[in-house]
Amino acid sequence: GEDVEQSLFLSVREGDSSVINCTYTDSSSTYLYWYKQEPGAGLQLLTYIFSNMDMKQDQRLTVLLNKKDKHLSLRIADTQTGDSAIYFCADDPYGGSQGNLIFGKGTKLSVKP
Amino acid sequence: EAGVTQSPTHLIKTRGQQATLRCSPISGHTSVYWYQQALGLGLQFLLWYDEGEERNRGNFPPRFSGRQFPNYSSELNVNALELEDSALYLCATTPSGGANTGELFFGEGSRLTVL
Repeated sequence: GEDVEQSLFLSVREGDSSVINCTYTDSSSTYLYWYKQEPGAGLQLLTYIFSNMDMKQDQRLTVLLNKKDKHLSLRIADTQTGDSAIYFCADDPYGGSQGNLIFGKGTKLSVKP
Repeated sequence: EAGVTQSPTHLIKTRGQQATLRCSPISGHTSVYWYQQALGLGLQFLLWYDEGEERNRGNFPPRFSGRQFPNYSSELNVNALELEDSALYLCATTPSGGANTGELFFGEGSRLTVL
């Protein structure tokens, strides 16, 4: 079945850039997403990219999509301690028709001052 | 505007008991999704309700069930609880028709502990 893989941990220093990587298996994905989960909270959508795009930039966030390699990345520029959270990559292989997204296990980002 | 609300925040049960978790969607949202977030397993899709009907279910046994009420709120029931059911159960909602643009609005979850 469809699968989404991402590394579990990333540690960076405040002010550095963070890059979180994700790979997915489904070739018919319509959208790919990045969600953020802060401690004790639910998930919140950070950004998403349509499958016919290579890149999307939104303030400090840059999403890169390599459809050939089925690789998605999230770059956070000038990482702050408030960015410490778990970041989930998610895939929409059914184009919304089955209602569920496929989530990776999440990458825990730790930002050291 | 109120977000997605879930209750209870925490629930402790013993093996074999039943648990009921509740979710109230954002006003105007008619689709409700349930996910299980168990340690080390990420988010696993459980159930999708839209307009009062079950639209899809994930790879979970039948003792996981739910329903959606006319006001679009939803209940998740877990019967014959097992230790491995201990997890954070997240509810997410969207406007009608499924997650076409992908933005699921999540509640803060209900933490179920099975002893």
